[in-house]
Formats: sequence, structure tokens, C-alpha cells
Amino acid sequence: QQQVKQSPQSLIVQKGGISIINCAYENTAFDYFPWYQQFPGKGPALLIAIRPDVSEKKEGRFTISFNKSAKQFSLHIMDSQPGDSATYFCAARRDSNYQLIWGAGTKLIIKP
Amino acid sequence: KAGVTQTPRYLIKTRGQQVTLSCSPISGHRSVSWYQQTPGQGLQFLFEYFSETQRNKGNFPGRFSGRQFSNSRSEMNVSTLELGDSALYLCASSSWGETQYFGPGTRLLVL
Repeated sequence: QQQVKQSPQSLIVQKGGISIINCAYENTAFDYFPWYQQFPGKGPALLIAIRPDVSEKKEGRFTISFNKSAKQFSLHIMDSQPGDSATYFCAARRDSNYQLIWGAGTKLIIKP
Repeated sequence: KAGVTQTPRYLIKTRGQQVTLSCSPISGHRSVSWYQQTPGQGLQFLFEYFSETQRNKGNFPGRFSGRQFSNSRSEMNVSTLELGDSALYLCASSSWGETQYFGPGTRLLVL
């Protein structure tokens, strides 16, 4: 029940295309769902996050879609650029007293 | 504000030795979490300290320990190193449990 399942493990998208990464969870007590982006040689950095009271959140080219009934959330990267090539992690947490539960990561490659 | 800093950045040890890694969080952040990252295992949570107390703990053996000082700086210790401990060790700090800000990590190689 504590797991967050992330797919796909790797993804290759053409420049200008839409990149979609999916995550699923079981624990209905989770109330915070962030996405982190990690470039080689760097620590992960928060990209965008959502709470279950909204179904979608958009920041620039990045959108989180959240489906509470299906217990799934996804990251969409519109107009994907080579600079978006990185590893993306989804995560979920119950509240601030609990640790983040992380997905396994998706290595995204944007082909020029 | 200065970001999260970790020292050392790179470390080479031999099996059986012990190692101590250090993390200085962002000023004002009271929570420090430690993670182990390996190519095949993603981010594995080690433990979290909040105001000098261990608040959460992952599923790692007792060889992995940590502590947090009154200035929120944290150290992680691994005793009796094994080859499988080779990894990138990441530290993250947060203010009130929301966004975690990661340091660049310490890359540990055990020979």
C-alpha cells in the first residue's frame, strides 16, 4: 500500500512531441503528489506538485493530471525539448510527518 | 539563500571501513532526509531527521545511521562498508515538509 508505481522506465520522444509519464498509488491517505526532475550529476529538483482537490495543474509546458478515483497521476510535457532530457520521479506523501514515497523513475530522452 | 551542501562530493573506501557523510541544509530548514541512489534501484529512503530527532526510517540495515545537530546539519554514517553500498548518497532539506531541496550528493565507491 505504500508503493508508487511509475511507468514507463524509459521514454524517447521527438522534439516538439508530448511526453507522458504515469504513476499509480494505492494509499488513499496520500495527499501530496510532486514530480521531481533530475539531470545527470545533480540532485533531483521539484518540477511541479498537486494536491487531490484539483484534477489538473499546469506550469508552463508541464502539466499534472490527477485522477483520484483511479488513484493515478501523470506528468505531461508539451512541446518537449532536448533540454527536458532527464530522469523524472513521481512521489506521494500522506502528510508532512511522513516521508515521500518515490516512484522508480523514468529516463526521458528528447531526440532533436 | 545558499542551497544544500554535501561533503565530500566523492569518496573511495574499501570493504570493512566506515564512512561519514555530511549535509548542511538550507538555512532555516529543520528537516533533513537522506537517500541512496543506485542505477537500478532509484531513490531509496534512508531516514529523516527533524529538530534533531529521527522522524522516519527506511528499510536499511543498522550499519546505516545518522544524526542531526542543533544547527540542523546532519551526518550519515555507514559502518562495515560492503561493495553494494557504492552509490550516490543524496541529502534533502525542507522547511515544513513540503518541497524537498536536494544537494548534489556524495558519490561513494567501495572497493
